[in-house]
Amino acid sequence: DQQVKQNSPSLSVQEGRISILNCDYTNSMFDYFLWYKKYPAEGPTFLISISSIKDKNEDGRFTVFLNKSAKHLSLHIVPSQPGDSAVYFCAASLLSSGDKLTFGTGTRLAVRP
Amino acid sequence: GAVVSQHPSRVICKSGTSVKIECRSLDFQATTMFWYRQFPKQSLMLMATSNEGSKATYEQGVEKDKFLINHASLTLSTLTVTSAHPEDSSFYICSARPGFQETQYFGPGTRLLVL
Repeated sequence: DQQVKQNSPSLSVQEGRISILNCDYTNSMFDYFLWYKKYPAEGPTFLISISSIKDKNEDGRFTVFLNKSAKHLSLHIVPSQPGDSAVYFCAASLLSSGDKLTFGTGTRLAVRP
Repeated sequence: GAVVSQHPSRVICKSGTSVKIECRSLDFQATTMFWYRQFPKQSLMLMATSNEGSKATYEQGVEKDKFLINHASLTLSTLTVTSAHPEDSSFYICSARPGFQETQYFGPGTRLLVL
């Protein structure tokens, strides 16, 4: 039972353009969402998060949008840079459950120079 | 801030031996740490939640007698893979959450290869 899904296993974007990574979840009780970036053989690096009481959070080139009614969140990277090439995981948690994270399956982003 | 380290980064062992992996929060205290496992081309799967001074909470399907977790201090949690077998070969990652923050920060991971 995959509660957090990233339906696009890969995405290729031209440098300077926008990268949009999508994530869907099934558990409406999730109240905190995070995006992590991961390189092979390394631990995930935290990028940005959003609480369920908000619908948008922005940090530099990264913006996360949350649509609770659709159980959908997305990560926008503008402008995309070659160094952004990595696997991106979305994760969801239920703060009342002790912060256990449920991860999506990941999307591999390739930013072409 | 919020740096998490793991040691070793990579270990190769013979089948039947035990392997200990350390997870340390370097610049904050963590009452709770988490252990994840990632198989190739798959997502990170939570194995257990490590609570300082008490027993770990294991996810369904994870053998607590095989994956021993000790959270002896507010900055250190250890995962011991006992009697390792080739199917235990994986990438093990820990995470920790500083104080009142909701965000978990991850260690660099440990690659375990059991021959």
